[in-house]
Amino acid sequence: GAVVSQHPSWVICKSGTSVKIECRSLDFQATTMFWYRQFPKQSLMLMATSNEGSKATYEQGVEKDKFLINHASLTLSTLTVTSAHPEDSSFYICSATIRVPRGYTFGSGTRLTVV
Amino acid sequence: KNEVEQSPQNLTAQEGEFITINCSYSVGISALHWLQQHPGGGIVSLFMLSSGKKKHGRLIATINIQEKHSSLHITASHPRDSAVYICAVIGSSGSARQLTFGSGTQLTVLP
Repeated sequence: GAVVSQHPSWVICKSGTSVKIECRSLDFQATTMFWYRQFPKQSLMLMATSNEGSKATYEQGVEKDKFLINHASLTLSTLTVTSAHPEDSSFYICSATIRVPRGYTFGSGTRLTVV
Repeated sequence: KNEVEQSPQNLTAQEGEFITINCSYSVGISALHWLQQHPGGGIVSLFMLSSGKKKHGRLIATINIQEKHSSLHITASHPRDSAVYICAVIGSSGSARQLTFGSGTQLTVLP
């Protein structure tokens, strides 16, 4: 089936540093990738939608200069958390639409801890 | 009021029990998903429904479009079914194909 590989699965970084999270579609072309954030005991919140070859669309309240999304190819989308702060500590997960079977596939998520 | 509401928020059952998780939504949708999130965070898509009923193994999902309601049933529950179950809808208008999520139901099945 369609698989999205997400790395790293967890990362601890110091305040002020940047962290890059990658999502690769392994056996299909992901023209659209959704990036979500999930705080403990809360539901997933859409941060942005990235389309291959064009600028990402960010949800209201999400700083595009802080959460840089690149979707340069049909198999790779990246989210870079720049100048990370402790409040950015969260679970980040990507998702892509698939055609057969019709639906969504999710990455395994990245747990980010900023200290 | 959230667009997607799930009940119950938490559910504890004994192994073998029949389980029902409910989802109500207030917007027009083109499809509804049931997702399973394991303790490590990984998410698996269980079903996508736009009408009727689907069955996969011990899992059954139903949807009533007129009543804007869906249910996920688990027959003969097992401790390995313990996870968070999330209902998510795709709106019938607006941004294409982005999901709106319910808050999830934490299911614990005791041996």
